[in-house]
Amino acid sequence: AQKITQTQPGMFVQEKEAVTLDCTYDTSDQSYGLFWYKQPSSGEMIFLIYQGSYDEQNATEGRYSLNFQKARKSANLVISASQLGDSAMYFCAMRGLRDSGGGADGLTFGKGTHLIIQP
Amino acid sequence: GAVVSQHPSRVICKSGTSVKIECRSLDFQATTMFWYRQFPKQSLMLMATSNEGSKATYEQGVEKDKFLINHASLTLSTLTVTSAHPEDSSFYICSARRASSAGELFFGEGSRLTVL
Repeated sequence: AQKITQTQPGMFVQEKEAVTLDCTYDTSDQSYGLFWYKQPSSGEMIFLIYQGSYDEQNATEGRYSLNFQKARKSANLVISASQLGDSAMYFCAMRGLRDSGGGADGLTFGKGTHLIIQP
Repeated sequence: GAVVSQHPSRVICKSGTSVKIECRSLDFQATTMFWYRQFPKQSLMLMATSNEGSKATYEQGVEKDKFLINHASLTLSTLTVTSAHPEDSSFYICSARRASSAGELFFGEGSRLTVL
């Protein structure tokens, strides 16, 4: 079974500051993928960043970077230079990447962190 | 990027009626689609995995007779909430996996169902 833990229900951050959203995971899979999604109040899920378990480099996408520490089973999202438009719910998710076939598995999501950027 | 469209975005229905939600991949073929349910201020919970041309695989605790899923083509999956009740009111989101994609899933915009 897979489990995602996001320990920060909410965070207040001043505009232009960097923010780290915590995510730890638990899985018995050897290969897996880790994702971060942003969900604004409109409800849509916006893909931010992906990290494969065998990727040696931490993933980066613009202002987003993923601090992947495999031994600690953590995949924290770092947002640099936060903007007012970053205010939203942020979900960490994972999916096993089994080689045995049988189709793709759906994502397992954490409970989310509500990020509020203050001017 | 790949686009997944859900319709309708909002639906209000009377208790006892059935509601169909469509999930379409607009510019790619989706061999697998997933249906999630999200309660207010809560995370997304996977309901079922839908593979084209075969029966959906439901997660534990999800009633397959209540939530009918059909994946008739590589670009369309439908979720039908049968005999809807107020407790079925929720936000339903689909996602699709592109056949050539290694890991990323593409999400629809979501459908908010309100059962009166």
